Amino acid sequence: QSVLTQPPSVSGVPGQRVTFSCTGSSSNIGAGFDVHWYQQLPGTAPRLLIYGNNNRPSGVPDRFSGSTSGTSASLAITGLQSEDEADYYCHSYDKSLGGFWVFGGGTKLTVL
Amino acid sequence: QVQLVQSGPEVKQPGASVKVSCKASGYTFTNYGISWVRQAPGQGLEWMGYISAYNGKTKYEQKFRDRVTMTTDTSTRTAHMELRSLRSDDTAVYYCARDMLQWDPVLEGYTNSFDPWGQGTLVTVSS
Repeated sequence: QSVLTQPPSVSGVPGQRVTFSCTGSSSNIGAGFDVHWYQQLPGTAPRLLIYGNNNRPSGVPDRFSGSTSGTSASLAITGLQSEDEADYYCHSYDKSLGGFWVFGGGTKLTVL
Repeated sequence: QVQLVQSGPEVKQPGASVKVSCKASGYTFTNYGISWVRQAPGQGLEWMGYISAYNGKTKYEQKFRDRVTMTTDTSTRTAHMELRSLRSDDTAVYYCARDMLQWDPVLEGYTNSFDPWGQGTLVTVSS
């Protein structure tokens, strides 16, 4: 059971806009800690996609964007492409007793 | 460019230990730390712990505290993660990731992301 909750799967067709949710609590996202998103293509290591809630590292297309609201965060992809098919993970800090770095369980994106 | 290169795959018997290495390049090693994250087959990411390359201080996830030791060698710019008393459910890909452990005094917690990640090391525990 992950501290951050993500739906197991999302699907879309090329060109569509899709969103991924990441639900936390008052000890992590709701406390104001930054949310980061990683993309993991099949058979590869995770790579940083969004940092600090809504910032893109250099090289990440502006089709990817992030946002937060209350105890949740969202990742959006516009103009969906087949090469976006991957697993997406959210990541934040949890200040509860025994908490530290926490991840969501990941969402698998299927491009139909 | 900033890069983390990990050691090769390992096959271990239950009860044995494994030591995975992570060699850094392209940045000042002692200005950052390293977090270790593992991923069991078909599962999500699980944070194991952190080590500062500056002073060697560690923070381990409680689940691993009794079995894991993280170290760094600044002369070779390499971080190591040793996991002892291996069980079959320790079979996973183990990743290192650069972690600057940036403290926010207002929030009283850490706010940074992990970037970059090593390519991963598959550890298989099987008799």
